[in-house]
Amino acid sequence: DIQMTQSPSSLSASVGDRVTITCQASQDISNYLNWYQQKPGKAPKVLIYEASNLETGVPSRFSGSGSGTDFTFTISSLQPEDIATYYCQQYGNLRTFGGGTKVEIK
Amino acid sequence: QLQLQESGSGLVKPSQTLSLTCAVSGGSISSGGYSWTWIRQPPGKGLEWIGKILQSATTYYNPSLKSRVTISVDRSRNHFSLKLTSVTAADTAVYYCAREGNWEHYFDFWGQGTLVTVSS
Repeated sequence: DIQMTQSPSSLSASVGDRVTITCQASQDISNYLNWYQQKPGKAPKVLIYEASNLETGVPSRFSGSGSGTDFTFTISSLQPEDIATYYCQQYGNLRTFGGGTKVEIK
Repeated sequence: QLQLQESGSGLVKPSQTLSLTCAVSGGSISSGGYSWTWIRQPPGKGLEWIGKILQSATTYYNPSLKSRVTISVDRSRNHFSLKLTSVTAADTAVYYCAREGNWEHYFDFWGQGTLVTVSS
């Protein structure tokens, strides 16, 4: 099984701050990684697919990078509407989600 | 616009079988290029992939649940289903159905989710 270790589990930042979340796979998954945003009471929504591709309609302040086992998700300028929990998800072998990162406004 | 809607029992007794259905509208479940997935989320916790069924009816399951899970498809009704046997309180969760593309492997359409509570 491929395990996904996501960090931090939560963070607090100010509006306009740069926010970075990392995800580490337990084995090489190439670039087979997606990032989702989940707001309370809602289903997740894909933001980044295949490690670095921005889903249509998603603001450009969201970005992703990485390959192999180490991946990064960045919000370049945090906005109030970005308050949510973010998950990485691998599809190198079956499917696994990271533990999630809850992003709050300071 | 494709829509997915989960339905089924919201309360299941321990040791019994959880059964859910995901109705697909706005598109055919038989159209090629997609697989159909179940994902769950215990209250206040993270997401867990349960398994998926392909166009060919081949299924793949989370190894931690494999012995208890069955996913099937009913093309005549345009829906797919989840059965989870021998449930315990640990199976209490919001259950989501979702679609995954066979080329762009991400979950692009989701149901709204349905809470299933395991309790006597």
